[in-house]
Amino acid sequence: GAVVSQHPSRVICKSGTSVKIECRSLDFQATTMFWYRQFPKQSLMLMATSNEGSKATYEQGVEKDKFLINHASLTLSTLTVTSAHPEDSSFYICSARDFGQRETQYFGPGTRLLVL
Amino acid sequence: AQTVTQSQPEMSVQEAETVTLSCTYDTSESNYYLFWYKQPPSRQMILVIRQEAYKQQNATENRFSVNFQKAAKSFSLKISDSQLGDTAMYFCARDNYGQNFVFGPGTRLSVLP
Repeated sequence: GAVVSQHPSRVICKSGTSVKIECRSLDFQATTMFWYRQFPKQSLMLMATSNEGSKATYEQGVEKDKFLINHASLTLSTLTVTSAHPEDSSFYICSARDFGQRETQYFGPGTRLLVL
Repeated sequence: AQTVTQSQPEMSVQEAETVTLSCTYDTSESNYYLFWYKQPPSRQMILVIRQEAYKQQNATENRFSVNFQKAAKSFSLKISDSQLGDTAMYFCARDNYGQNFVFGPGTRLSVLP
């Protein structure tokens, strides 16, 4: 099946620094990528949807200046958490699909972010 | 808001027994997809089973099957011959007009030896 990778799998940073998380589709064209946030023992919360070559669409309540998303190629999307604070500590998951594939999303393994 | 509800926050089942996880959803679409995802302790999301709404036949994948009741907007997951490796969070999800997925709050399943 299709594979999505995320890097890094785990990151610890100091408060005030920025952190970039990469999401790559390894064997298919990811025209659409999704970024989720998951708190412990909770469900996935969609943060934003990005289409290759376009600006990301953010869900209500998600600060676009805080969570910068770039989807510049058909295989790579990045999420940058700017000026991270302890409350940004969470598990971030990306998923991807090709154009028109409403019936599936391929999920990455997630990135655990800890802001000290 | 279009929602997905899972009324069982936690469940447990003895190894080799059968367990059913409940899911109800809201939608105004006539055709859509429904999913069950498993999230083990590794936190990797794994697709368990998928159902297309216009197909009346319930989907099955080995030990996993669904009971899809379109009129009632119900989509339960049955796990037969439960195994220790089935221990995980299970999320019910619906595709949202082809734009994204809406996930339920999850059910934590523990398979007991």
